[in-house]
Amino acid sequence: NAGVMQNPRHLVRRRGQEARLRCSPMKGHSHVYWYRQLPEEGLKFMVYLQKENIIDESGMPKERFSAEFPKEGPSILRIQQVVRGDSAAYFCASSPGLVPPYNEQFFGPGTRLTVL
Amino acid sequence: DQQVKQNSPSLSVQEGRISILNCDYTNSMFDYFLWYKKYPAEGPTFLISISSIKDKNEDGRFTVFLNKSAKHLSLHIVPSQPGDSAVYFCAASANAGGTSYGKLTFGQGTILTVHP
Repeated sequence: NAGVMQNPRHLVRRRGQEARLRCSPMKGHSHVYWYRQLPEEGLKFMVYLQKENIIDESGMPKERFSAEFPKEGPSILRIQQVVRGDSAAYFCASSPGLVPPYNEQFFGPGTRLTVL
Repeated sequence: DQQVKQNSPSLSVQEGRISILNCDYTNSMFDYFLWYKKYPAEGPTFLISISSIKDKNEDGRFTVFLNKSAKHLSLHIVPSQPGDSAVYFCAASANAGGTSYGKLTFGQGTILTVHP
């Protein structure tokens, strides 16, 4: 049973370009979360999605950032017109449910975005 | 507003001794607490969790203690091993009421180094 998969593992973009990060949840998991870790900080929640629905995007910047989890295919976190401050590690997590003990979140290896 | 705090950026312990990692929180709505372990360039790995209805949970060498009145939890690792050297994150979620959707609030992390 494959774990949470994220690609690419490393992404380099110049200021103003678009970054597209992909996440495939564990098999059987319908809940997907995106977190961002800035240097020297803990992980911060960005968005929670279920298939075809954004449920909670309270942690995501209002501009330039968007997320989706289509019926088929991986979840995508999209950052338009990247700036240097977007440089961070972006982690995706999935869980089989929301209520303990089924709410354990399994994390992917992360995508390290560097904006030049 | 840092709702989950790990005030010790680092901890150094001798192999075989006890490691105690601490975590404080401010949000009284948190009712589920987790510890994650993270190696460089990898995603966080779930270690152990505790519900607010308990004050202790044990799993092998790992024990988590919760003091709700003090809004404090700690992770004990006994005996510590060199392979335990990693960054440890405390995380919390508010599940009652069904509006947090399981999103996790993380502390800043504590770097544990276990010396042989």
